[in-house]
Amino acid sequence: GAGVSQTPSNKVTEKGKYVELRCDPISGHTALYWYRQSLGQGPEFLIYFQGTGAADDSGLPNDRFFAVRPEGSVSTLKIQRTERGDSAVYLCASSPGTSPQNEQFFGPGTRLTVL
Amino acid sequence: LAKTTQPISMDSYEGQEVNITCSHNNIATNDYITWYQQFPSQGPRFIIQGYKTKVTNEVASLFIPADRKSSTLSLPRVSLSDTAVYYCLVGDMDNYGQNFVFGPGTRLSVLP
Repeated sequence: GAGVSQTPSNKVTEKGKYVELRCDPISGHTALYWYRQSLGQGPEFLIYFQGTGAADDSGLPNDRFFAVRPEGSVSTLKIQRTERGDSAVYLCASSPGTSPQNEQFFGPGTRLTVL
Repeated sequence: LAKTTQPISMDSYEGQEVNITCSHNNIATNDYITWYQQFPSQGPRFIIQGYKTKVTNEVASLFIPADRKSSTLSLPRVSLSDTAVYYCLVGDMDNYGQNFVFGPGTRLSVLP
């Protein structure tokens, strides 16, 4: 079956621009997670959704970052006024629920480069 | 305070058993222990999860002592394709963002 998909796979933008990154989770998965990963580091948690609501957004670094999941399926991560330090791979994952026993299924990521 | 500590890197040879130990001295009663594998340019992939004692699946085994302050991921007879970064996580869904920290992981290199 189809896994988690993310678009675009690569995004190059200029400092100060606005970007949107999209995540299509596995159908029926209620939980959706966003992470970002810098070279040589493990994924860094940003936010997770249970259904349409953000259950924990404690990982968002500042108010330039925002994520939505209006219908409880597709999610969009939005970054305003991008900075060079935002360059990273942005990973999305989904799981059937939010108990620790629910493994997370990760997408391939979107590589964001801010020039 | 880091929730988990694991070796930064390990080397092994094809056909050997590899054991990666993760320390989690401050594990809480409700915490589960989960291991993920990540290949270059891919998202992490779930390997195994446990709460106590031993868990085995088709890919690996997870050994957890009674005090749960550490866990060991065991990969039987590794092949070159097992070269990857392995992450140990502990936590539950309360305060998810603070608990589920991937850390730098263990970079396993399998040599021919």
